[in-house]
This record gives sequence, C-alpha cells and structure tokens, in this order.
Amino acid sequence: SQTIHQWPATLVQPVGSPLSLECTVEGTSNPNLYWYRQAAGRGLQLLFYSVGIGQISSEVPQNLSASRPQDRQFILSSKKLLLSDSGFYLCAWSFKDSLYNSPLHFGNGTRLTVT
Amino acid sequence: GENVEQHPSTLSVQEGDSAVIKCTYSDSASNYFPWYKQELGKRPQLIIDIRSNVGEKKDQRIAVTLNKTAKHFSLHITETQPEDSAVYFCAASLSGYSTLTFGKGTMLLVSP
Repeated sequence: SQTIHQWPATLVQPVGSPLSLECTVEGTSNPNLYWYRQAAGRGLQLLFYSVGIGQISSEVPQNLSASRPQDRQFILSSKKLLLSDSGFYLCAWSFKDSLYNSPLHFGNGTRLTVT
Repeated sequence: GENVEQHPSTLSVQEGDSAVIKCTYSDSASNYFPWYKQELGKRPQLIIDIRSNVGEKKDQRIAVTLNKTAKHFSLHITETQPEDSAVYFCAASLSGYSTLTFGKGTMLLVSP
C-alpha cells in the first residue's frame, strides 16, 4: 500500500528566515505530487503540482518555490519567509489517470507559524 | 477554468438528523467529483467520490448525487453523529490531466 510522509509536523520560524518542507511517497511510482496551503479557517489553496521529476507547475505567484529532485520526493522552499506565509501546509499525491482525476491522498501536514 | 461553489458555509444539525451539502460547478466537461472530510487540525480525507458516468453513489450513511444537466452535486449524510462534525470540501476536475478545484468548505456541527 502507499504511504505519504511529511515533516516536520510543526515549525516556528522568524520572518526573513528560509524554509524547507519535505514530503516523500512510498509504495508507488511516478505519482502526481502537490503542495497545498490552508490558512486558519480557510479553504485549500493549491500552490504547486508536479507530474514528474523536475516538472513543477506554480498556481500562485509568491515567495515560495517547489522542487522534485526524485520521483517520490517533493520539497517546498522559501528563501525569506513572510508573516503571511503562516498556515497549514499539506503535501498530497495521486495516481496518474488520463481520463479521470484520481483521489488526492494528503500527508499529515506541517503547521507553520512565522513570527 | 473550473469554478466550484459550495453551500452552506456552516451547517448545524441535531444528532440523528440528516445533513445535505451542495456544490455547483461551472465547466460541463468536469467528470470527477470527490468529497473530503477534514477534522480539526487534521488532514483532509476522501470520504466518497463520483464520476460523471454515475448519478448516485452510497457508502453506508453517506451518499453523493450528481446532476450533470444542472451542474451540481450534493453530499447527503443520514443519521448524523457527533463524530461527523468536521469541515467538508467538495471538488471537481476536468480530466486526469487537470488539478482538482475545491469548494470553500462547509463546517458541519452535530449536536448531541
């Protein structure tokens, strides 16, 4: 079966500091990978998604970036955090299916507080 | 692109009552409609999904209906229990090559 690991679970960072969140998937090959952000009490905002190694699509312009150095590894980064970057960050994966989208499977999330 | 509207934003029911959450979508080509449940502080989890070639799907106390003509789909929860209290998100997508578009969520509160 497939599992997704996301770490760290919580993070407190000062404004202007860098960020690196990591996500790995086990039990499948060549998955679609996603980063979502959820502000407190708000909906799910898609930040980045990737259909393969080195292929990153950005949905929202901001000071965040993503990379996929390996097939099942997805990294979210920032060079300098802003207060507005605080939120609940969720990594997700899905199978590839050309006809129908397949269900998203979310990691446990990282709660980021920028102080 | 696709747009998904979800109503209501908050729904309060008594334990044992039924709850209905409705979503409308804009692109008639959308063909996949999942529903996610997110408990406080936890990750969203898929509870049920439906494809455009099916009008209704049931899983115990949960059902989803799809009306392609009207471009709306609904989540039905019967015999609600306090543990059903959570935020529910609907979503829609055009194909396997597109990403999901989520609604803004419905907070369901089930009072004992």
